[in-house]
Amino acid sequence: EVQLVESGGGLVQPGRSLRLSCAASGFTFEDYAMHWVRQAPGKGLEWVSGISWNNGIIDYTDSVKGRFTISRDNAKNSLYLQMNSLREEDTAFYYCAKDRSSSVPSGPYDYWGQGTLVTVSS
Amino acid sequence: DIVMTQSPDSLAVSLGERATINCKSSQSVLYNSNNKNYLAWYQQKPGQPPKLLIYWASTRESGVPDRFTGSGSGTDFTLTISSLQAEDVAVYFCHQYHSFPQGTFGRGTRLEIK
Repeated sequence: EVQLVESGGGLVQPGRSLRLSCAASGFTFEDYAMHWVRQAPGKGLEWVSGISWNNGIIDYTDSVKGRFTISRDNAKNSLYLQMNSLREEDTAFYYCAKDRSSSVPSGPYDYWGQGTLVTVSS
Repeated sequence: DIVMTQSPDSLAVSLGERATINCKSSQSVLYNSNNKNYLAWYQQKPGQPPKLLIYWASTRESGVPDRFTGSGSGTDFTLTISSLQAEDVAVYFCHQYHSFPQGTFGRGTRLEIK
């Protein structure tokens, strides 16, 4: 059974940093691209970042470029999102999602974690 | 960026009746090289993450009931639930992955029982 379990969310002040983790199991992690998708409470979905199986392809939505860094450790079956210079508009549930099709980040996303809530507020 | 516009924002349908949700992209999501539409549909129930229902515009994900059907090509797409069940109450999102690695979602359609 595929499982994705996010952790690391919480309440943080604007300008501070947070690191999210996603522990994967039930599939061959190194074979698939992975993504982070966020959802502000009661709002829609926004793709944040994607990474290929070997870190060779990485991309971000414009609003987080230069502030967020996605990474993965295939030996630990884990995905990460380092979030720096956080803003109130970054407040959201952050979901880790598995790419269905490919080792490169293309989509769609066939498995999602339960999400971890990041609240940016003073 | 490709903008995805869903309609309606919300929909109330009687049990057993048909529900239709539309999604329009600001540019074509059809790749001519493989003749595939890079369009997916997700279902999200309260307190849960999204669940993939349909990909390549019309391919049902494993385990998804056959009352869910995706159709369309290019810029205009439809998700149809042929006979609404109580467990189908949810928010439905369309998603284009043509501009991969990036992807964009529609704002969602809330489906309720009339």
